[in-house]
Amino acid sequence: EIVLTQSPGTLSLSPGERATLSCRASQSVSSSYLAWYQQKPGQAPRLLIYGASSRATGIPDRFSCGGSGTDFTLTISRLEPEDFAVYYCQQFDGSPWTFGQGTKVEIK
Amino acid sequence: QVQLQESGPGLVKPSETLSLTCTVSGYSISSGYYWVWIRQPPGKGLECIGSISHSGTTYYNPSFKSRVTISADTSKNQFSLRLSSVTPADTAVYYCTRHPPGATFDYWGQGTLVTVSS
Repeated sequence: EIVLTQSPGTLSLSPGERATLSCRASQSVSSSYLAWYQQKPGQAPRLLIYGASSRATGIPDRFSCGGSGTDFTLTISRLEPEDFAVYYCQQFDGSPWTFGQGTKVEIK
Repeated sequence: QVQLQESGPGLVKPSETLSLTCTVSGYSISSGYYWVWIRQPPGKGLECIGSISHSGTTYYNPSFKSRVTISADTSKNQFSLRLSSVTPADTAVYYCTRHPPGATFDYWGQGTLVTVSS
């Protein structure tokens, strides 16, 4: 099983700042099979980005991702008030499909 | 517009079987994709339980393999989850979702909380 470890656990930032979230895999994952989700309280996760850089429908371009092998990042270029949430990385390169434990982006 | 909706009991007794159904609208489950169950214990992360393909092939996470069954009823455009011998550790929000080829979980149900308690 591929274990995904996200850091930091919590990121305290102000609106307008840049957020960089990390996801490290226990073994190499193709960037084509790595995805990021946003989850707000009481809601289902929402797909943000999958594949090397494909944004899901309606996702603004302030969300971008990068990385390869075992190290991946999600960047939010300028935080909007609606971006404060929990973010999960997920791999579908190996079975079972697995998620990281999440990074909470909170208002500073 | 694709929509998924979970349904089933919100309370299950320990040692009994948890049964949930996901009703899909806007897309025929027999046309393609994998149909997946994921759970999230309160305050914790997400865990894939298993999936069923449009052709009926199932995959179960080894963590659940001996307890889980996923099936589909294409006439009703539904797929279902059965998890046996539940314990309080199975208390979670259960989500159904779909997994397109080359992409990943793009549409989700709103989730249903199942509590395991006597």
